[in-house]
Amino acid sequence: KNQVEQSPQSLIILEGKNCTLQCNYTVSPFSNLRWYKQDTGRGPVSLTIMTFSENTKSNGRYTATLDADTKQSSLHITASQLSDSASYICVVSAQRGGNKLVFGAGTILRVKS
Amino acid sequence: DTEVTQTPKHLVMGMTNKKSLKCEQHMGHRAMYWYKQKAKKPPELMFVYSYEKLSINESVPSRFSPECPNSSLLNLHLHALQPEDSALYLCASSQTEGAGQPQHFGDGTRLSIL
Repeated sequence: KNQVEQSPQSLIILEGKNCTLQCNYTVSPFSNLRWYKQDTGRGPVSLTIMTFSENTKSNGRYTATLDADTKQSSLHITASQLSDSASYICVVSAQRGGNKLVFGAGTILRVKS
Repeated sequence: DTEVTQTPKHLVMGMTNKKSLKCEQHMGHRAMYWYKQKAKKPPELMFVYSYEKLSINESVPSRFSPECPNSSLLNLHLHALQPEDSALYLCASSQTEGAGQPQHFGDGTRLSIL
């Protein structure tokens, strides 16, 4: 069964600190993996997208990594800001079955001053 | 600002009302999606339209009726909803329905059923 698991479920960090969110998946055959940021009451916004051959991708202070062998991904946030407080969702797409996405449950990040 | 526009942003309706949610995109995308998202849960796929034709219905109750009048618009007609249908309804679009196409999400309609 195609699944995406994220950890931790929630996280509180101080402003300016770094953090890393984890994502494990069992989706097969793998097409790509995306990290979305979802602010409360808003729709998900794509941060990064990685295919099988990509190991790392950055978007400003966000850096995602992908290990296709172990089926693990991480999202590293550098020098956190209060505006980083949001839910971060790992989403995996398979090569078959149209464009149906497999969503993780998300990690709720709270950055406090 | 999101490139997928959803209206209204908030909707409160009684169980006997009929209302519609609207979604619009002008990116030339030919696949459009409806998702339902409960609090602190990931989005759940409801419907997929590809080239204005219904491609996927994830066994959604008939009280939800989708419509795609043209390639830029997607509607979700609501009738006789239940309190458990209260949720954030998200619309998304992608270039096509092909596997791996990035989906762009709107900000959703927050629906409350009294």
